[in-house]
Amino acid sequence: GAGVSQTPSNKVTEKGKYVELRCDPISGHTALYWYRQSLGQGPEFLIYFQGTGAADDSGLPNDRFFAVRPEGSVSTLKIQRTERGDSAVYLCASSEGRGNYEQFFGPGTRLTVL
Amino acid sequence: KQEVTQIPAALSVPEGENLVLNCSFTDSAIYNLQWFRQDPGKGLTSLLLIQSSQREQTSGRLNASLDKSSGRSTLYIAASQPGDSATYLCAVTLGDNNDMRFGAGTRLTVKP
Repeated sequence: GAGVSQTPSNKVTEKGKYVELRCDPISGHTALYWYRQSLGQGPEFLIYFQGTGAADDSGLPNDRFFAVRPEGSVSTLKIQRTERGDSAVYLCASSEGRGNYEQFFGPGTRLTVL
Repeated sequence: KQEVTQIPAALSVPEGENLVLNCSFTDSAIYNLQWFRQDPGKGLTSLLLIQSSQREQTSGRLNASLDKSSGRSTLYIAASQPGDSATYLCAVTLGDNNDMRFGAGTRLTVKP
């Protein structure tokens, strides 16, 4: 079956603009995660959804970032008033549920803020 | 706060060598530990997943060990090949939310 997909694969925007990044998880996976990976670093946790609700958003860096998952499947990460420091690869992962389940990662969206 | 450290940050070896990548974590209360491979500009490919109750996992030329009490894991790659060149990341899974914490990775180059 299909894996986790993310669109767009690359996004270039100007400082101050608004961007949306999309994640399509594996069908049937109830848990969905967003991570951010800066150059030369490992991914950093941003937010976790169980179903439609954000069960843990402790990794979001500030209130310019928020994410939704209105129907418990596709998720959108939204960044307002982008800054150059937001440039990174944004990774999405999904798993079968809450608890000790393996996470499967998408290819990521590379965001560049000029 | 859980900290994950990977040593070395970069490693270059000739083809055919056996090698060991190291990962350490500060809090032993983990659910599992996972090793990933990441090629330049690509996402993460899961290599091995070790549950907290397990000591090791093997897949082909790869063997990963876990010593939870000492907060350490190693990834052993046998008979390395140029195609093994990539960044290797380890990550620990915490708590009921399955949150993962990653190390910064080891960038491996296998020279023909």
